[in-house]
Amino acid sequence: SQQGEEDPQALSIQEGENATMNCSYKTSINNLQWYRQNSGRGLVHLILIRSNEREKHSGRLRVTLDTSKKSSSLLITASRAADTASYFCATDETSGSRLTFGEGTQLTVNP
Amino acid sequence: DAGVTQSPTHLIKTRGQQVTLRCSPKSGHDTVSWYQQALGQGPQFIFQYYEEEERQRGNFPDRFSGHQFPNYSSELNVNALLLGDSALYLCASSPLLRGGWDEQYFGPGTRLTVT
Repeated sequence: SQQGEEDPQALSIQEGENATMNCSYKTSINNLQWYRQNSGRGLVHLILIRSNEREKHSGRLRVTLDTSKKSSSLLITASRAADTASYFCATDETSGSRLTFGEGTQLTVNP
Repeated sequence: DAGVTQSPTHLIKTRGQQVTLRCSPKSGHDTVSWYQQALGQGPQFIFQYYEEEERQRGNFPDRFSGHQFPNYSSELNVNALLLGDSALYLCASSPLLRGGWDEQYFGPGTRLTVT
């Protein structure tokens, strides 16, 4: 069963705008990870944030984690058409074990 | 440095048949996990192999079985295929022994269609 729920399910923005995706989960976690998937192909790892971290940056990506609310957000700044993809959050309860994915957010960046 | 590789890329099978999918982990990785992703959904964990043993298993029937070889590569076998087994099958590897096991690297997937 899916633990995470992404919000929104779909997001359409113009190039240059920021995109924010949210993820909620149900159980305690060791870490939370965000992945990107282009057109039903393999998953690309974007960023990992541990349960004792609140915010993490990687290039144009910013991830926040609120363990009290069991939620995370992914912000993509200055979006590009190449950012068009599905984005998934995945939780890891005990580090190195199974990942539990949400349903994903489909992001479309219009040129 | 080769990443995670999977074969075949696409596969079409008939209901009732059996299928074997293959995965080679990223160099230096010793743990392999398999996921099933139905169209429009997030991946679902099938099982994980480490030291040639099934370490964890998700909520999948016994028709789904696997194997890990001494070189850490892995196979996923599905017997008595059902239409509902049509999905993208993803393999992920991670370096459990080296302690960097948090991040899992995914292969491109095998698209299985059952007719």
